Amino acid sequence: NAGVTQTPKFQVLKTGQSMTLQCAQDMNHEYMSWYRQDPGMGLRLIHYSVGAGITDQGEVPNGYNVSRSTTEDFPLRLLSAAPSQTSVYFCASRRATEAFFGQGTRLTVV
Amino acid sequence: TQLLEQSPQFLSIQEGENLTVYCNSSSVFSSLQWYRQEPGEGPVLLVTVVTGGEVKKLKRLTFQFGDARKDSSLHITAAQPGDTGLYLCAGVVAPRKLIFGTGTRLQVFP
Repeated sequence: NAGVTQTPKFQVLKTGQSMTLQCAQDMNHEYMSWYRQDPGMGLRLIHYSVGAGITDQGEVPNGYNVSRSTTEDFPLRLLSAAPSQTSVYFCASRRATEAFFGQGTRLTVV
Repeated sequence: TQLLEQSPQFLSIQEGENLTVYCNSSSVFSSLQWYRQEPGEGPVLLVTVVTGGEVKKLKRLTFQFGDARKDSSLHITAAQPGDTGLYLCAGVVAPRKLIFGTGTRLQVFP
């Protein structure tokens, strides 16, 4: 049972490049979400999904897109990376109120 | 504006000392959760408190949910270096978003 798997673990992008952060869960959870964590701060919700085909915005959605075509996968897309998107990104899936997190993706935009 | 404010933001103490971390909001929550995050890892759930006034104990950690369900506290007795980490409170806001507090970074020195 792998839980929540995120790839890649580290990524460096140039300003204006695009990329997709991958997230997969094998717990059959309906709810999945993406957070970003900046130094010394808590987690801020970017986007979330309550099931396949359904997504919605969180607290800081600008500059990010998501889709949910299957229960298992919830990729996060950066269309045109900016230095302000340098952060650690966490994907989570949720059963009731308990969230299970991946190990994070450390993204640097130069 | 953060819906869940934690205090203090940083806490640096000696092994054996007691400490309390607070999580406050102007909103009512049906439940609040506490997570601990270690460097390089995603947060891991410690406890969920559901009933106003509820007290839950997890070894040396005591969690309390305020009577009005707007706040919570985490008390650690006789802190140990293994308690070092980032402590986060979290709650679900409409429609079904799980949001996190600002975080309290605890360092316990031997």
